[in-house]
Amino acid sequence: GAGVSQSPSNKVTEKGKDVELRCDPISGHTALYWYRQRLGQGLEFLIYFQGNSAPDKSGLPSDRFSAERTGESVSTLTIQRTQQEDSAVYLCASIAGRSSYEQYFGPGTRLTVT
Amino acid sequence: TQLLEQSPQFLSIQEGENLTVYCNSSSVFSSLQWYRQEPGEGPVLLVTVVTGGEVKKLKRLTFQFGDARKDSSLHITAAQPGDTGLYLCAGGSNYKLTFGKGTLLTVNP
Repeated sequence: GAGVSQSPSNKVTEKGKDVELRCDPISGHTALYWYRQRLGQGLEFLIYFQGNSAPDKSGLPSDRFSAERTGESVSTLTIQRTQQEDSAVYLCASIAGRSSYEQYFGPGTRLTVT
Repeated sequence: TQLLEQSPQFLSIQEGENLTVYCNSSSVFSSLQWYRQEPGEGPVLLVTVVTGGEVKKLKRLTFQFGDARKDSSLHITAAQPGDTGLYLCAGGSNYKLTFGKGTLLTVNP
């Protein structure tokens, strides 16, 4: 079956503009994560969705960042008033359920803020 | 805050050599995973270890979880150019993973 897909693959935007990143998880996967990976760094947890439970937003770095997910489908990560320090690869991962350890990652969106 | 330290940060070796990379933490994790990430792609899971002292083998790769579940190692035997990539360890606690910064491995033909 299809893996996790993300769009766009690359995004260049001007400082101050808003951007929206999209993640399509594997069908049937109940949990979804967003991560940020800066150059030379590990993955930084941003937000976690599990079914219809309230999301864990504890990793969002500022109120300019928000994410939504409807049910067990597509998720969007929105960054408002982008800053140069937001430049990074944004990765999405989904897992089958609470008891699963294995995260399946998408290819990421490379965001460049000029 | 749970932190995972990976070493070395960079490793460049010749085809056929053996290598070991390390993942250390002061925190105990319920599970530890190793991922490999290639340029322009997301990380791909190699192995999950959950029991202290556990050893898992995947072809030429051997993974070990420390007895205290705070550290892990990855040993590659007879490295090949196809092993080139960023190796990330990740500690699991409840539903969250804490990632190390990775070891960037280059295997030269």
